[in-house]
Amino acid sequence: DAGVTQSPTHLIKTRGQQVTLRCSPKSGHDTVSWYQQALGQGPQFIFQYYEEEERQRGNFPDRFSGHQFPNYSSELNVNALLLGDSALYLCASSLVAGETDTQYFGPGTRLTVL
Amino acid sequence: GENVEQHPSTLSVQEGDSAVIKCTYSDSASNYFPWYKQELGKGPQLIIDIRSNVGEKKDQRIAVTLNKTAKHFSLHITETQPEDSAVYFCAASKWLDGNTDKLIFGTGTRLQVFP
Repeated sequence: DAGVTQSPTHLIKTRGQQVTLRCSPKSGHDTVSWYQQALGQGPQFIFQYYEEEERQRGNFPDRFSGHQFPNYSSELNVNALLLGDSALYLCASSLVAGETDTQYFGPGTRLTVL
Repeated sequence: GENVEQHPSTLSVQEGDSAVIKCTYSDSASNYFPWYKQELGKGPQLIIDIRSNVGEKKDQRIAVTLNKTAKHFSLHITETQPEDSAVYFCAASKWLDGNTDKLIFGTGTRLQVFP
């Protein structure tokens, strides 16, 4: 049973560019949440997708957008990159069923903005 | 706003000793409290979680306790081993009507276990 997978592993971009990160949820999961983890800090919630719609959003600007596909995989897009966007971007999947909301994380994508 | 405080930020113990990490949450509606272990270069790995309807949960050498009145929860690791060395994060969220809520994370505790 495959866990949460993310691609690419590492990415280097320059200021002003745009980036797309990808996530495949754990088998059987239908909800994908994205988090940003700056160096030495805890993950910060960006947004969550369920049934191909953004259901919750954290305190991130509109430069951060996402998408969920019918197969539950998801993309995170960041436009007009800033130096401060350099971080580890984590995807977590969960299942909206029963009495559990356990979130399982992928290995992350390390984004460096120069 | 919603906030989770975590202490200590670093913790060094001798192999075989116990380690305790404490967290405090601000949102009294929080009802789910997971703990994650993050090794260098990897994503957070769930190690144990507790819901607000129980006060304690154990899984081998790991235990978590919850005090809803004080809005405190703690991670206890007994008989620590060098492979327990990692950064540990506590988190809090609200589960309502089948909706997976966002996780609010603490700032992390770097645990070092010396042989």
